[in-house]
Amino acid sequence: KAGVTQTPRYLIKTRGQQVTLSCSPISGHRSVSWYQQTPGQGLQFLFEYFSETQRNKGNFPGRFSGRQFSNSRSEMNVSTLELGDSALYLCASSLGTSGTDTQYFGPGTRLTVL
Amino acid sequence: GQQVMQIPQYQHVQEGEDFTTYCNSSTTLSNIQWYKQRPGGHPVFLIQLVKSGEVKKQKRLTFQFGEAKKNSSLHITATQTTDVGTYFCAGWGLPGGSYIPTFGRGTSLIVHP
Repeated sequence: KAGVTQTPRYLIKTRGQQVTLSCSPISGHRSVSWYQQTPGQGLQFLFEYFSETQRNKGNFPGRFSGRQFSNSRSEMNVSTLELGDSALYLCASSLGTSGTDTQYFGPGTRLTVL
Repeated sequence: GQQVMQIPQYQHVQEGEDFTTYCNSSTTLSNIQWYKQRPGGHPVFLIQLVKSGEVKKQKRLTFQFGEAKKNSSLHITATQTTDVGTYFCAGWGLPGGSYIPTFGRGTSLIVHP
């Protein structure tokens, strides 16, 4: 079974731009969660989607948004990029909700904002 | 808001020595998960603990969830070089509160051969 895939793997943007990241979950998984990982703040939960509905949202500004499609693939969008948005963005999929089932993480997208 | 403190931040051990990392939550947790992340890699799920006082073992790894469901620990017996990585805990709040995961900052394990 193929694992979680994320595209692109690396991205360089400038302040003020916007970016869209993509995540394809393991086949059959209905939940996709997004996380931001930085050396300063560690791993932080962004949001979780289950069957195309946002279930939970972390403490991030509205510039961070996401969606999930009927095939469970998910996208995350960050608008008006700031330098502090430079991070590794990880998505994870699970069969059920993230708090109850094993989460499988993708390799991440490394975003650099200049 | 919910906070999860994890100590120590780093741990150097000689191969064969034991290792323990601890997580403490400011609030009662519904459940806690443990992950391992190798350098340059992504987090890999290790285990989930749900019940008060629960103890689970995976070969040389022992996971505990406190009676009050506010703390947890991971103990590795006789470390090997393959155990190198950062170990994270992630605590989920109680339903009705903020049921989102809060991660500890992780403990980086360095094993010297």
